[in-house]
Amino acid sequence: EPEVTQTPSHQVTQMGQEVILRCVPISNHLYFYWYRQILGQKVEFLVSFYNNEISEKSEIFDDQFSVERPDGSNFTLKIRSTKLEDSAMYFCASSEAVRLATDTQYFGPGTRLTVL
Amino acid sequence: AQSVTQLGSHVSVSEGALVLLRCNYSSSVPPYLFWYVQYPNQGLQLLLKYTSAATLVKGINGFEAEFKKSETSFHLTKPSAHMSDAAEYFCAVHGASNAGGTSYGKLTFGQGTILTVHP
Repeated sequence: EPEVTQTPSHQVTQMGQEVILRCVPISNHLYFYWYRQILGQKVEFLVSFYNNEISEKSEIFDDQFSVERPDGSNFTLKIRSTKLEDSAMYFCASSEAVRLATDTQYFGPGTRLTVL
Repeated sequence: AQSVTQLGSHVSVSEGALVLLRCNYSSSVPPYLFWYVQYPNQGLQLLLKYTSAATLVKGINGFEAEFKKSETSFHLTKPSAHMSDAAEYFCAVHGASNAGGTSYGKLTFGQGTILTVHP
């Protein structure tokens, strides 16, 4: 069964450093998402991406964040200058984009980001 | 804006007992509702979803949920718990932020409920 994959599974970085989290969505999917979950808190939406453009972003997704689909298979989340409060589990998801409101979003296993 | 509240961050049941995980939603427009499950070290997996076709929704692994508009609820149930059901369960809602608004797939999640199943 096709699945969303994410690398690395765990990333440790120093405050102020740039990190890139990588995701490979399911191959025929057209909509891509990033969510994050700070330990003990809710899963929060960050951004959705379609046709090489951001479709929607949350207030969390400020200028320190960016997303890119650099080739036909990868979808990346970059944090330019990490802060302690960026420590969280980051989930990538993808969907077919047949009918957005009811499409199933398929989630990857997550990348745990630890900022020291 | 949409929101969901899951009552009980931890639920513990005996194997074979009824599982009931509670979810209440708030939405100014007709909601689409989802239940996801997360097993340790895995991503979120869809259990079932309500898309307005039927109020009683059946999902994978014997789970089902009933949409009750009058109670703004979408509780998840399973008649008989198995040890393998031990996981964290998330309720989520999708919908436009207001009537006529547009939402590009954003899901709003509840805080999650950890289900423990005892032998």
